[in-house]
Parts: sequence; C-alpha cells; structure tokens
Amino acid sequence: EAQVTQNPRYLITVTGKKLTVTCSQNMNHEYMSWYRQDPGLGLRQIYYSMNVEVTDKGDVPEGYKVSRKEKRNFPLILESPSPNQTSLYFCASSLLGTNQPQHFGDGTRLSIL
Amino acid sequence: DAKTTQPNSMESNEEEPVHLPCNHSTISGTDYIHWYRQLPSQGPEYVIHGLTSNVNNRMASLAIAEDRKSSTLILHRATLRDAAVYYCILRDVVIQGAQKLVFGQGTRLTINP
Repeated sequence: EAQVTQNPRYLITVTGKKLTVTCSQNMNHEYMSWYRQDPGLGLRQIYYSMNVEVTDKGDVPEGYKVSRKEKRNFPLILESPSPNQTSLYFCASSLLGTNQPQHFGDGTRLSIL
Repeated sequence: DAKTTQPNSMESNEEEPVHLPCNHSTISGTDYIHWYRQLPSQGPEYVIHGLTSNVNNRMASLAIAEDRKSSTLILHRATLRDAAVYYCILRDVVIQGAQKLVFGQGTRLTINP
C-alpha cells in the first residue's frame, strides 16, 4: 500500500531535549516536505526537499533541521525543542511537478513542556 | 500565491449532494485549482484539480466558472465519512519547483445523519 509513515505519532518531551520525527514514503517520490498545523494559523511549510541531498527552507524553518540522505526518508530534527514548537506535524511527498497530488502522513503530535 | 476565499463552515445531510464554493478572483492564467480535504485526526488528502474544464473523479466533481474566478467542489452523495475540512488551493504551474501547498482556513463540512 502506498503510504507516508511518520513516527512517533505522539510525543511529550521537555525543553532542550533533542528529538527526531521520522518520515518515510514507499512511492519513490522525489519531493518531500514538512508542515506544521496550529489552530488559527493553518498548515505552514517548514522545510522541503526536491531530491536526495537537496533541501530548502519553507515558511517557518527556525528551530528545525532536516536531512535527505535517502530518497524514501526525510527526518525532521528539533535540536533544542522549545514550547512554541508544540504543534501537529505532517510529512508529505509527491512526484515532481506542481500538479502532482501530495500524499500526507497521519501526523505527529508534539508537546514540548 | 493567489488568494482563495471559502465559507468557514457548511452543513448538509447524508446522501444529499454538497456544493462547496471557492472564490479566487485574482487567479492567473497558469493557476490550477486544487482541492484537498482533511478528515479528523488525519493528514490532508488530495481530492481533485482542474484548470478550465469541469473535472470528475471517483471522489468528487469540480465545476469551474467560465471566467475562472470561482469554482465549486461537488460531492454527489455525501456520507458521514465526508465530514472534513475542505481546502481550495491555487497552484501556479509556471513557477518551477513551486510545489508548496498554501493552505487557507478551509470549509468545515458537517454531515448530519
């Protein structure tokens, strides 16, 4: 089954403790992206990648890092999480091309205390 | 990205058709109209997209006004599973690599049994 898998689905942690949210897709998609969703602000893009070793900032990249060493994986790294990064995070992937449908994971709910 | 305007919420009854409107008066000639929906506790899901002509797929139909300043997503026979937030998004195919989805607030659709 074609899917985007995120782990963990839920995480409660403390300020400053490094964490990684993994994202994996099995559709051989070149494009991958991270979004965060906050009440009243909607979904906003954090980082994206057009292919292996090619990443770029989205609209809200501060406090986040990403890497794309393999085509299928696109982890989101919070080196020193802070409470304002408490949010619902979604990973998405698609083939290259503006009209290609994007496939989303089921989300990771992060709470930073 | 050109702006879209959608009603905050709509309500309909099960097994009846639903017409979800979207206004995009500043749409450019190269903007495609995309619709995504987000079911409760899930990531967004692609529904349909089109440029000028009306489009149909297994999930829905998209009716695009002749001047392209508005469009309507049609769910022909709503089920309880169609209760979701529906997003109308414009995507410009001319901008290379512009795969970012710009989500507005969407329309929250409630389906009554």
